[in-house]
Amino acid sequence: DVKVTQSSRYLVKRTGEKVFLECVQDMDHENMFWYRQDPGLGLRLIYFSYDVKMKEKGDIPEGYSVSREKKERFSLILESASTNQTSMYLCASWRVYNSPLHFGNGTRLTVT
Amino acid sequence: GQQLNQSPQSMFIQEGEDVSMNCTSSSIFNTWLWYKQDPGEGPVLLIALYKAGELTSNGRLTAQFGITRKDSFLNISASIPSDVGIYFCAGQVGGGATNKLIFGTGTLLAVQP
Repeated sequence: DVKVTQSSRYLVKRTGEKVFLECVQDMDHENMFWYRQDPGLGLRLIYFSYDVKMKEKGDIPEGYSVSREKKERFSLILESASTNQTSMYLCASWRVYNSPLHFGNGTRLTVT
Repeated sequence: GQQLNQSPQSMFIQEGEDVSMNCTSSSIFNTWLWYKQDPGEGPVLLIALYKAGELTSNGRLTAQFGITRKDSFLNISASIPSDVGIYFCAGQVGGGATNKLIFGTGTLLAVQP
């Protein structure tokens, strides 16, 4: 079974802090994604990566950056956390061809 | 971003009833996926569909890839309390290594014992 592991289930950070959300997958998938999920807005794509050191902006990249130094790890960075970034963050990985997207368990981030 | 039309938005049913939900799009998809999400958890894959007309079952769950490639449905038979959660579909448009998925808006299912 594919395993996508997010390092934290819950995080509480202060406004202005730099925040790192880590995600690791164990199936050698090329593609990795970061989404945020908010009530009434569904899943929104922040950034994705289709290879090491490659990144593409999703639908809502403002206020975020990402890092993919190794194939198995995809990090989401909030350079200066703000209260409107309080959300559920979901990492996912995908081989793409005739295979499904697999999600991690999510990180519930609260920015105060 | 683009979202799929998923209906119904919510369902409140009695244990033992059958459930049906569907997703439709104006775009043609190559892949349809169905997920279930429990509160505070990440989505878990239920069924993956890769060919138009494909009908796939996973226990009490059955899903079909519409023949027009623009829709899919998920059925749950003989619902039980642990079926409670949010179900959503996802579709892949086109093909290629950098493709993204488009997600449905979700169906909230509540099952009364």
